[in-house]
Amino acid sequence: EADIYQTPRYLVIGTGKKITLECSQTMGHDKMYWYQQDPGMELHLIHYSYGVNSTEKGDLSSESTVSRIRTEHFPLTLESARPSHTSQYLCASSETGNPGNTIYFGEGSWLTVV
Amino acid sequence: GENVEQHPSTLSVQEGDSAVIKCTYSDSASNYFPWYKQELGKGPQLIIDIRSNVGEKKDQRIAVTLNKTAKHFSLHITETQPEDSAVYFCAAKRGGGSQGNLIFGKGTKLSVKP
Repeated sequence: EADIYQTPRYLVIGTGKKITLECSQTMGHDKMYWYQQDPGMELHLIHYSYGVNSTEKGDLSSESTVSRIRTEHFPLTLESARPSHTSQYLCASSETGNPGNTIYFGEGSWLTVV
Repeated sequence: GENVEQHPSTLSVQEGDSAVIKCTYSDSASNYFPWYKQELGKGPQLIIDIRSNVGEKKDQRIAVTLNKTAKHFSLHITETQPEDSAVYFCAAKRGGGSQGNLIFGKGTKLSVKP
C-alpha cells in the first residue's frame, strides 16, 4: 500500500467557487505529480514538482495551480471552478535518482462543478 | 516527444483464458516500462515493470515482454480470474535520465467473465 493521501475524495461545488485539493505523502519522495483523468480513462499530467519550491506544468494545460512548500504536501487549487473542471484528479509521488522510478498514486479526488 | 499507443481499448475474456495487451512507444531513448492496474474508484497501482536491458519478466500469472528493436512491449495475464477485471495502463519513461516523466497509454478495460 502506498502512503499517499488525498482529500476530499468526493466534492460537489458551485461554479465560481475556489477549491483546494489536498495531497500528502509520508514516503519522503521528492517528486510529486497531479494527473487529471476523465471517464474516458486517459491519464493527463497537469503539474509536477521535483521538490520544495519547485513546480512545473505538465503535458495538459490546466487552469489549476500548485504549490510545494513542504516535501510531503502538494496541494492543487482552482481559483474559480467551472463545469469544465469536472474530473478525477490523481496525486502521485516517486523517488528521484533512479532511472526507473515507481510512481505511487493516491486514491483520487472526484470533483463535480455544477 | 514520447508517444505511447495501447491496444486494445477494451478486452473481454472468459475466466481461465489468457489476456494480452500491447503497447508501442516512439522514443528510442525510453528505458523503463511499467504497467499499472486501476480498479474502479481507486488510483492506478503498479503491477509489473521492465527495464530496457531485459527482454522478459514474470511475476506469477503476469508477464511483460519488451522488443526494443520494434519498440513495443506487452502484458500477458494467464489463467485470468474475475478479480483481474480492471483498467490497465502501460507507460514509458521519456528520455534516459532520472528526471523524465512517464508517458501513459490510453488504457485497456479488461473484463473477465466467470
